Amino acid sequence: EVQLLESGGGLVQPGGSLRLSCAASGFTFSNYALTWVRQAPVKGLEWVSAIRNSGSSTYYADSVKGRFTISRDNSKNTLYLQMNSLRAEDTAVYYCAKVSGDRRGVSWFDPWGQGTLVIVSS
Amino acid sequence: DIQMTQSPSSLSASVGDRVTITCRASQSISNFLNWYQQKPGKAPKLLIYAASSLQSGVPSRFSGSGSETDFTLTISSLQPEDFATYFCQQSYSAPYTFGQGTKLEIK
Repeated sequence: EVQLLESGGGLVQPGGSLRLSCAASGFTFSNYALTWVRQAPVKGLEWVSAIRNSGSSTYYADSVKGRFTISRDNSKNTLYLQMNSLRAEDTAVYYCAKVSGDRRGVSWFDPWGQGTLVIVSS
Repeated sequence: DIQMTQSPSSLSASVGDRVTITCRASQSISNFLNWYQQKPGKAPKLLIYAASSLQSGVPSRFSGSGSETDFTLTISSLQPEDFATYFCQQSYSAPYTFGQGTKLEIK
C-alpha cells in the first residue's frame, strides 16, 4: 500500500523558517515525481511545488518562489519542503502527494498524505 | 496562469439524485483535467484523471467528460458518502491550478 506521511509542521513566527518532511513507502520512490499542495483554513487547494523523480527539475508557485525549496532524498524515500521568510498567508495544511502520469503527459496527484499544519503567527 | 472556474460553488441534493459539476479552464488544456473529492478533515482523494478515466477503486457512479476548456463531473445516483467538496485541477502547465471547489450538501 502506498503511504505518504508528512511531518514538521507547527507554529512559527513571521519571517521564520520551517522544514517539512514527507516519508514515503509502498512504491519505488525514485521512479516518481512528487508535489506539495497546501490548503489555507476553510479555503481551496493551492499547488505549491513539484520535483521530478531524479530531483533534477523543480517547479514553484509564484507565491513561494524564492522562499521555499523542494528537495528529495531518494536513499531515504523522503521529500522535503524548506520554507523560509514565512508569512501569515503561508498558514495552511501542507499535503505531499505522489505524481503519476500517462504516455500523453497527463499527470495527477495520488495518493495524498494526511497533511501537516503550519501556522505563521506572532 | 490557467484559471479554473467551477460551478456551482455549492449544491444541495438528495440521495439518489443525479448531479453534475462543471469546470471551465481559461484556455485549452486538452484532457489534462483531474477531479478530486475531499471530506472534512481529510486529504483529497483522486476520482477521475485525464478528464474521463476512473481511478481504480472509485465507484462507477462517478464519471467525467469534456475536453479543451469545458469539463463535467457527474454522479449518477448520489449516495450518503458522496456528500463532500469536489475540486477540479489542470495538469497542462505549471502552476497546476485547482478550481475553487464545489460543496455538495444534503438537501
